[in-house]
Order: sequence, then C-alpha cells, then structure tokens
Amino acid sequence: SQELEQSPQSLIVQEGKNLTINCTSSKTLYGLYWYKQKYGEGLIFLMMLQKGGEEKSHEKITAKLDEKKQQSSLHITASQPSHAGIYLCGAAYNQAGTALIFGKGTTLSVSS
Amino acid sequence: EAGVVQSPRYKIIEKKQPVAFWCNPISGHNTLYWYRQNLGQGPELLIRYENEEAVDDSQLPKDRFSAERLKGVDSTLKIQPAELGDSAVYLCASSPRPNEKLFFGSGTQLSVL
Repeated sequence: SQELEQSPQSLIVQEGKNLTINCTSSKTLYGLYWYKQKYGEGLIFLMMLQKGGEEKSHEKITAKLDEKKQQSSLHITASQPSHAGIYLCGAAYNQAGTALIFGKGTTLSVSS
Repeated sequence: EAGVVQSPRYKIIEKKQPVAFWCNPISGHNTLYWYRQNLGQGPELLIRYENEEAVDDSQLPKDRFSAERLKGVDSTLKIQPAELGDSAVYLCASSPRPNEKLFFGSGTQLSVL
C-alpha cells in the first residue's frame, strides 16, 4: 500500500550484526503493528505501538514510534539466523477499528 | 488455546474452476478478516466481519468472490470462476474486538493454472 512505506525492501546481514527496518505512514497513525512472516506462512505478532515516543522490546527486537514523523523503526540487536523472515508493519488509522493496512514487507536474510 | 485454523493449506486448480477456503477463528473472537497476499507484497484486506455482519467488503471483487460467516463463527471465502490473477496466499485473521491485535492463520496458497 502506498499509505505505508517500508525500507529497505530487503536486507542481508551477517550473523551478530545489528539492523534497522523503517515503516513510514503518509497518514496520521492510530496504532502501528509489527509482524513477522516466514515464507508461505501466516503472520506472527511482534509488537504494537500506539503512543508517540513509545518503545517496546522483546528479546533482541526493539520497536519505536516517532509520532512527529509518523514513522516506526524496528531494531534487531546481534542478529541470529532465527531472525530471518519477512517483517511487515501494519497501520491502524482510526479508533473505530478499520482493518490494518500493511506495508510491502522487508525480507531479512541472516548469513552465518 | 487453538489458533486460527485455515484449510486447505494448498490448492491447485485450473482457471474457470470454483474454489473455497475455510477459516475457524479463535474462540470468542468477534472480528474476522480475510486478506489476500500476492508474492512480494503485504496482505490486502478483502473483507472484515463483526460477528456475522460484513462491515467492510469494499475491496472484495464481488463479481467472482463471495464470503459468508455463519453464526458469527466459521467463515468461507469462495471464488467462482477463478482466474490466473487469483493465484496468491489467502489469509484469515481474527481479533477479540476491533483495533486489537490480529491473530493470523497459516493461510491457503492458491495456484490457478
């Protein structure tokens, strides 16, 4: 969707390196969700951010929401082969509960 | 607790044939979604249900696609007739209420030959 842009489109990193994926919305966000997908499978929920400046972490993955920029970043520290997959951001644009709009995804490969 | 269950996992059909996908959401989840994901793209919404009511079907190609959610639980998505461009992964998701996180099934990978 053009409402939500993810960058980079794909990423190859060496095991142990840090990386960042960005998600930028052209509209005001109500909430921003991060999901991970293995090829050909369903999406696994990672984190949800709602408030400007909010930051959440789970194991080695940290997500932040910059309300001013309508942008979220997903940072992985000391990447491992298990982090490989497709990372998708999904935007909620209003409180009424419309369905999430997803970006095109970032494909992450981790070389050992 | 069981997750969102979809079947079949894979389906290969010839163009112009009909096809149906089934989804059983997580128990108690009132909101059910059908998304379509093309290769290299993010999921795109086809239809959203609140209980048994379709509250957003603006992206559903109604000339060939139909969906139903009987008794506000299981849902079926049908394509008739299928076209080559319908090849994609069809994902079902559910959430307890609107604006809560979505739980996705494993998807049905459709190939139309």
